[in-house]
Amino acid sequence: EAGVVQSPRYKIIEKKQPVAFWCNPISGHNTLYWYLQNLGQGPELLIRYENEEAVDDSQLPKDRFSAERLKGVDSTLKIQPAELGDSAVYLCASSLGTGNEQYFGPGTRLTVT
Amino acid sequence: AQTVTQSQPEMSVQEAETVTLSCTYDTSENNYYLFWYKQPPSRQMILVIRQEAYKQQNATENRFSVNFQKAAKSFSLKISDSQLGDTAMYFCAYLEYGNKLVFGAGTILRVKS
Repeated sequence: EAGVVQSPRYKIIEKKQPVAFWCNPISGHNTLYWYLQNLGQGPELLIRYENEEAVDDSQLPKDRFSAERLKGVDSTLKIQPAELGDSAVYLCASSLGTGNEQYFGPGTRLTVT
Repeated sequence: AQTVTQSQPEMSVQEAETVTLSCTYDTSENNYYLFWYKQPPSRQMILVIRQEAYKQQNATENRFSVNFQKAAKSFSLKISDSQLGDTAMYFCAYLEYGNKLVFGAGTILRVKS
């Protein structure tokens, strides 16, 4: 069974440029998460989807961040415009229902210069 | 909001020996889940072990076991017969209502040969 797939693995952009990250969850997992992980810290939830509905986006900075999950499968996280402070690892995870373990992808390391 | 505290930023252990990583959490809930995740330098977050709060029996997965003290809100991870491949960052995580996973700051574990 394939795990959570993320791309790209690394991205370097200049500040004020847009950037997008893509995530393909484990087949059949209805819940998808995007996390932000700063260096030396634990991941922090940005947004959670149940199928195609964003059910928790309270931590998503909506002035510059947006996300979508078309057809309840793949998801894209976008930042526009990027700021220096957005440099971090962006992790995607998926799970099968509430209370079940979340499976993480390898993450995308974003560097904003 | 629930918090997870890992008081040991770094730990070292000799190969084949046993090490215990500490974790405490704060919650007013009675039913919840606790996890230990491992994140090696490759960044892939891997589930190590899971504990349901309603179960009194401590979870065990091969060389990994936990000491779950619900009243004390403590959830430590014991790694027996440490191996070089156990070198990683270890995160304690609490799953709260609504499926939000709250992570601690992590403990870097170095296994020495």
